[in-house]
Amino acid sequence: EVQLVESGGGLVQPGGSLRLSCTGSGFTFKSYTMSWVRQAPGKGLEWVSTISASGDTTYSADSVQGRFTISRDNSKHTLYLQINSLRAEDTAIYYCAKDIVRVPVAGDYFDYWGQGTLVTVSS
Amino acid sequence: DIQMTQSPSSLSASVGDRVTITCRASQSISNYLNWYQQKPGKAPKLLIYAASSLQSGVPSRFSGSGSGTDFTLSISSLQPEDFADYYCQQTYSIPLYTFGQGTKLEIK
Repeated sequence: EVQLVESGGGLVQPGGSLRLSCTGSGFTFKSYTMSWVRQAPGKGLEWVSTISASGDTTYSADSVQGRFTISRDNSKHTLYLQINSLRAEDTAIYYCAKDIVRVPVAGDYFDYWGQGTLVTVSS
Repeated sequence: DIQMTQSPSSLSASVGDRVTITCRASQSISNYLNWYQQKPGKAPKLLIYAASSLQSGVPSRFSGSGSGTDFTLSISSLQPEDFADYYCQQTYSIPLYTFGQGTKLEIK
């Protein structure tokens, strides 16, 4: 059974940092692209960042470019999102998702999602 | 950037009804369109990929169609567990995996 378990969320002051983690099991973690998607309270889904299976290729949304960094440790079956210079508008549930491809290509989709971790940015 | 527009934003229907949700892309995305269902307090769940392919385990009352810029998600006979939020997503424009704004399906 595929499982994705996020951790690392919490309450942080504006300008602060957090590192989110997502540990995968039940599939060959090193073979799949992984992504982060967030959802602000009462709002829709927003794609945040994606990393290829090997970790060589990363992409991030313009809204987080330069502040968020996606990475992975395939030996630990773990995906990370380093989030810096946090703003109130970054308050959201952050989901990790498993893609179905090894490298991001057209036609990709997210077949499994974690339960999410809540990041709250407030003073 | 490709914009995805869903309609309606909300919809009230009864158990047993047939409902259709529309997603329109700002430019052609071929058939690179996916649909997700999200229930309150839960993670999204994949329903349909590549516009019309049913994800394993998803009931056959769900179906998707369309190509180019116009897509639909249909539920043939609403069940109580189908009342949820629905999102379309384009994966034509790599790496910007744009979602639609969502459609809230409520019980009438």
